[in-house]
Amino acid sequence: SQQGEEDPQALSIQEGENATMNCSYKTSINNLQWYRQNSGRGLVHLILIRSNEREKHSGRLRVTLDTSKKSSSLLITASRAADTASYFCATPSVNTNAGKSTFGDGTTLTVKP
Amino acid sequence: DTEVTQTPKHLVMGMTNKKSLKCEQHMGHRAMYWYKQKAKKPPELMFVYSYEKLSINESVPSRFSPECPNSSLLNLHLHALQPEDSALYLCASTRVPGTSGGRSYNEQFFGPGTRLTVL
Repeated sequence: SQQGEEDPQALSIQEGENATMNCSYKTSINNLQWYRQNSGRGLVHLILIRSNEREKHSGRLRVTLDTSKKSSSLLITASRAADTASYFCATPSVNTNAGKSTFGDGTTLTVKP
Repeated sequence: DTEVTQTPKHLVMGMTNKKSLKCEQHMGHRAMYWYKQKAKKPPELMFVYSYEKLSINESVPSRFSPECPNSSLLNLHLHALQPEDSALYLCASTRVPGTSGGRSYNEQFFGPGTRLTVL
């Protein structure tokens, strides 16, 4: 089954509002990453949070990680129309030589101007 | 140069054709990846090359043949594809595979993808 699962699958908000997306995973992790994908384009790395961190900020992004619940959340504050995209969490394999990450199902965010 | 490039951007091919997808990065990354992505789905890992050697093949059909001629270049050779192989094919790279010295270098840099249509 999918390592990372995200909810909601789709989220529609007005510009200026905050958007929160959640990711759950099943196995142990060293870190968790969030990526963004504009329609039909490649993914862009947003932020990485290590397993010993609980919260991390980057600009308008805030990521939390709860390893006891095997879950993470991505908060985008003061959203803009340009934030419209799909957002994926990714969990790299704990096999340190594998170089393999598993992506969650993704949340499609629509920010209305 | 901090980008991954992919060519072509779009490719339409018949089931009897042979074509190749190309991926290039000049960031000195030593791990490169091929993913397949269907509409409204997450990327699915196909292959991983670590230090120019194939390290992961996710049970991909042999009609997909990867090649890593050097540390900057990754190819995906396509032959006798099926219509269900139509998808966005993404290439990615990381500085080194997995972790090193306790630090994770798993941030992946993605190319823009090749939109493949098999008729």
